Amino acid sequence: EAGVAQSPRYKIIEKRQSVAFWCNPISGHATLYWYQQILGQGPKLLIQFQNNGVVDDSQLPKDRFSAERLKGVDSTLKIQPAKLEDSAVYLCASSLDGPGGTEAFFGQGTRLTVV
Amino acid sequence: SQQGEEDPQALSIQEGENATMNCSYKTSINNLQWYRQNSGRGLVHLILIRSNEREKHSGRLRVTLDTSKKSSSLLITASRAADTASYFCATGDYKLSFGAGTTVTVRA
Repeated sequence: EAGVAQSPRYKIIEKRQSVAFWCNPISGHATLYWYQQILGQGPKLLIQFQNNGVVDDSQLPKDRFSAERLKGVDSTLKIQPAKLEDSAVYLCASSLDGPGGTEAFFGQGTRLTVV
Repeated sequence: SQQGEEDPQALSIQEGENATMNCSYKTSINNLQWYRQNSGRGLVHLILIRSNEREKHSGRLRVTLDTSKKSSSLLITASRAADTASYFCATGDYKLSFGAGTTVTVRA
C-alpha cells in the first residue's frame, strides 16, 4: 500500500515570497490533515479535511495561509507571503475516517526555510 | 482543549533498560493514540487505546489509560538504540491534536 506522498521535500524561499506544498493521501482515506512542526515542538494542526470539507482550521493563519483539497483527494497548502517564523516542517497525514477511532498515516514532510 | 501533554520532556536511558513516559489531557476522550518520530522523519503510529480499555500491548510497548486521572503512560521495555526518537500522545475525537512530546535517547 502506497503511503502519504508529499512534495517538495525541501524548500528555501525569501520572506514575502509565496510557496505551495502538495500532498497525496492514501487512497480511500477520507480525512486529511496538515500540521506545522517547528523544531523542538509537537505538530500543530493547521487544517483538517473530511473528504473535501473543512473540519477544523482554527489554527490556520488565514491572512497568509490557504489550503484546499481537490475532489476530496489531493491537497495543497499555500503560504503567501511567507514570514521568517513560518520556517518549519509541514506534515501531511491521512486517515481512513476521523480521529475518533482510526490511526493517521504521515508523509515525510516538507522542510521549509524562510530567509 | 483535548491536547495531551507529555512528561518528561526528555529521557536518557541505557540500552536494555525500560523507558516510561506519561501523557495528561484535560477533557474526556474516546481514544488516545501514541506516535513515534525519528529525527527528521514523519510520525509513525504506535498504539491506539480506547476509553473502555485500561491496558494495551504491542511487542515491547505497553500503554495504559486511566480515564479517572485523565492520563496515559507508554512503557518501552528492553530499549534498543533504534528506540531513540520523540514520542507523542495524540487526542481528539473530531480533530487530532498532539502534545510537545518526550525525547528519548537510548545510550549504547
